[in-house]
Amino acid sequence: GAVVSQHPSWVICKSGTSVKIECRSLDFQATTMFWYRQFPKQSLMLMATSNEGSKATYEQGVEKDKFLINHASLTLSTLTVTSAHPEDSSFYICSASQDVTNYGYTFGSGTRLTVV
Amino acid sequence: QKEVEQNSGPLSVPEGAIASLNCTYSDRGSQSFFWYRQYSGKSPELIMFIYSNGDKEDGRFTAQLNKASQYVSLLIRDSQPSDSATYLCAVWSNDYKLSFGAGTTVTVRA
Repeated sequence: GAVVSQHPSWVICKSGTSVKIECRSLDFQATTMFWYRQFPKQSLMLMATSNEGSKATYEQGVEKDKFLINHASLTLSTLTVTSAHPEDSSFYICSASQDVTNYGYTFGSGTRLTVV
Repeated sequence: QKEVEQNSGPLSVPEGAIASLNCTYSDRGSQSFFWYRQYSGKSPELIMFIYSNGDKEDGRFTAQLNKASQYVSLLIRDSQPSDSATYLCAVWSNDYKLSFGAGTTVTVRA
């Protein structure tokens, strides 16, 4: 089945620094990947749609200059949280689909970001 | 994002009972519907998906879809303590995005 790998699983960084999160589709090519953020006891909120070879599409209210997305290949998308602040602390999850109609979306294992 | 609503929960059921989860959605153009299970601190894992009206069964899980009523449900039969988790309803529309409900937390009492 489709496997999506996400790294790192958790990261602690100092306020003002940047953090990069990687999302890889291991056994399929994904022209589109999605980045979600989840705060404690809340549902997943779509941040942006990552498109291979083109600019990401950001949801309303998400700062594109703060959350940089690069989808340089058919198997890798990265999310960089720039100038992180404590309010950026959250659970970030990526997802992709090999064939959404038949397989749905597969999620990465998520990255727990803590900004201190 | 399109609106997806789930029964608020939390839902507590005894072991062996049926857990019933409900979800409604606002976009009539929605095409596919998914149920995910999420354990605390983990990412969601797909349990079932359905895109045709009616019932779809997979082991102890049954998904039911009624597009006319814009309603999708999940039944968990013979509930086990390992089923204790938050269940997320997700709806996929023509904009190729998944919209999630807030989730229903289920606790199965041994």
